Amino acid sequence: AQSVAQPEDQVNVAEGNPLTVKCTYSVSGNPYLFWYVQYPNRGLQFLLKYITGDNLVKGSYGFEAEFNKSQTSFHLKKPSALVSDSALYFCAVRDSGTYKYIFGTGTRLKVLA
Amino acid sequence: DSGVTQTPKHLITATGQRVTLRCSPRSGDLSVYWYQQSLDQGLQFLIQYYNGEERAKGNILERFSAQQFPDLHSELNLSSLELGDSALYFCASSGVGATTGELFFGEGSRLTVL
Repeated sequence: AQSVAQPEDQVNVAEGNPLTVKCTYSVSGNPYLFWYVQYPNRGLQFLLKYITGDNLVKGSYGFEAEFNKSQTSFHLKKPSALVSDSALYFCAVRDSGTYKYIFGTGTRLKVLA
Repeated sequence: DSGVTQTPKHLITATGQRVTLRCSPRSGDLSVYWYQQSLDQGLQFLIQYYNGEERAKGNILERFSAQQFPDLHSELNLSSLELGDSALYFCASSGVGATTGELFFGEGSRLTVL
């Protein structure tokens, strides 16, 4: 069965500092990995995805993520955090053999001015 | 704007009642997904339709049902409502042939059961 884990409920970081939001996954086939962001009372917005190819994926708003097959991880990163990055971040995985997208429980990012 | 439209945005009803949530996917998207987001919980996958046919099923209760119509809009029916059904219900769609593509989410329907 496929699953996603986001081990941190909340991440606090100072504005201007680098940020990392962690995600690990479990699938039986090849993973398709995604990051989404959710602002209060809004739907989820797509940030970036890894399907195949380069392990470092660049996405919207300066975010990037690194796929690590041996550690089954897909951590979200940004070199310099902004207060406006404060939101709820979801990692998602889809097994190449299914049509289900499974989401993690979310990590609340708080960027402090 | 993702292009996915959900109605109603807010709904308040009583236990035991039945409600219908509606979703219009992005123009041209054949796949529709339904998710439930409860307070302090992640997104629970309910069900997926592709071009009118059920394709994948998640943790959807028997009291819940869904369908996708020929014009590709979808409806999620929730019956015999319980307090615990109060949640944000999201619809998402994905593109034709985009088997590896991202999902595009609507703004959600917030259901409150009193």
